[in-house]
Amino acid sequence: DIQMTQSPSSVSTSVGDRVTITCRASQDIGSWLVWYQQKPGGAPKLLIYRASSLQSGVPPRFSGSGSGTDFTLTISSLQPEDLASYYCQQANSFPYTFGQGTKVEMK
Amino acid sequence: EVQLVESGGGLVQPGGSLRLSCAASGFAFSSYTMNWVRQAPGKGLEWISYITSSSSTIYYVDSVKGRFTISRDNAKNSVYLQMNSLRAEDTAVYFCARRGTGTAYGMDAWGQGTTVTVSS
Repeated sequence: DIQMTQSPSSVSTSVGDRVTITCRASQDIGSWLVWYQQKPGGAPKLLIYRASSLQSGVPPRFSGSGSGTDFTLTISSLQPEDLASYYCQQANSFPYTFGQGTKVEMK
Repeated sequence: EVQLVESGGGLVQPGGSLRLSCAASGFAFSSYTMNWVRQAPGKGLEWISYITSSSSTIYYVDSVKGRFTISRDNAKNSVYLQMNSLRAEDTAVYFCARRGTGTAYGMDAWGQGTTVTVSS
């Protein structure tokens, strides 16, 4: 199985800050990488697919980059509504696997 | 509006069974691949099963193989998860999720989840 490792596990930040979350795959997954946002008590929401494509309706302050084994999710200017947990997921092969998540909290 | 509504969760003893349902509306359900994803209390997301639109291809994570069965009824716009031989570690919120088209297999619609608690 492909292991997905996210860092950091949590980040304390302020409104307006730039936030970067990294995700590493245990083997080459090309661009088959998806990012989700999950707010407390809610369902995940698709943000980014194919490593860098923004899902319809997602604000452009979210961006993704990377290929192969190393990927990044960036929030260019954090807004209060972005406080949530973020997960990467590989869609290269079964079983699909998620990173352990990164919780974005207010400083 | 795309909607997925899960039901069927509850409290069950170890070794017991439950059948989860996910009712879809607002889109052409019979054209979409569906997934089940779970989240244990305070933990991350775990993908557990996948079924294509015609049920021709099905996958499971190893931890549920032989115990869980995914199925669908396109006439009823529903996908199901039959869970047998339940264990304490199956305790989680279970989400159904649609695989998007043009989203490189990203899951673009999710239900609100149904809670399964396995405990004596």
